[in-house]
Amino acid sequence: SAVISQKPSRDICQRGTSLTIQCQVDSQVTMMFWYRQQPGQSLTLIATANQGSEATYESGFVIDKFPISRPNLTFSTLTVSNMSPEDSSIYLCSVRLARGNRAYEQYFGPGTRLTVT
Amino acid sequence: GENVEQHPSTLSVQEGDSAVIKCTYSDSASNYFPWYKQELGKRPQLIIDIRSNVGEKKDQRIAVTLNKTAKHFSLHITETQPEDSAVYFCAASRYAGGTSYGKLTFGQGTILTVHP
Repeated sequence: SAVISQKPSRDICQRGTSLTIQCQVDSQVTMMFWYRQQPGQSLTLIATANQGSEATYESGFVIDKFPISRPNLTFSTLTVSNMSPEDSSIYLCSVRLARGNRAYEQYFGPGTRLTVT
Repeated sequence: GENVEQHPSTLSVQEGDSAVIKCTYSDSASNYFPWYKQELGKRPQLIIDIRSNVGEKKDQRIAVTLNKTAKHFSLHITETQPEDSAVYFCAASRYAGGTSYGKLTFGQGTILTVHP
């Protein structure tokens, strides 16, 4: 597996402000992802963070709202912009680790619990 | 795109009983099926996975079975213990060529409660 850390672990923010979440991995990984998990719900993929290129966003998520950076193979940030109470959620980064030829395992960071008031 | 349905949404068992959670998927090209366990306030943890070239995989008290024809896969937990209480998520993805796999699509989750 990999050691994945996120900062901050939680935050309470005012509407209209932005928060940047950091994800650090202890090894180089080609694929990093950002997920949202609303209370009592499943995991929803926001975007795939590609190293050296623009992130790939899923339907319903846009770059202006959730800008992502991926400056190297061990680090990524997700910004939640112009926040509203509907953005209150847990945000998790996730990495994919190769397991031999044509196989992989995917692991999650501890999450950032965001509350927007 | 892929759609994964998971049942039941809640499951309550007595300690020592078995628990079975089932998932169905829509994309016949999906060929990787992991299961995650998420304890309250914690991150999802990969507990077992199966690839389409096998029908069953076991790891101690947990096992996963796959029926590609019917497009469903199941998680089996035997001799359940209170510490098995958690939310369990299934997921599916497809091999996309080279060393690439598509994104994971998750089921809705099953809240498992094991009563002592």
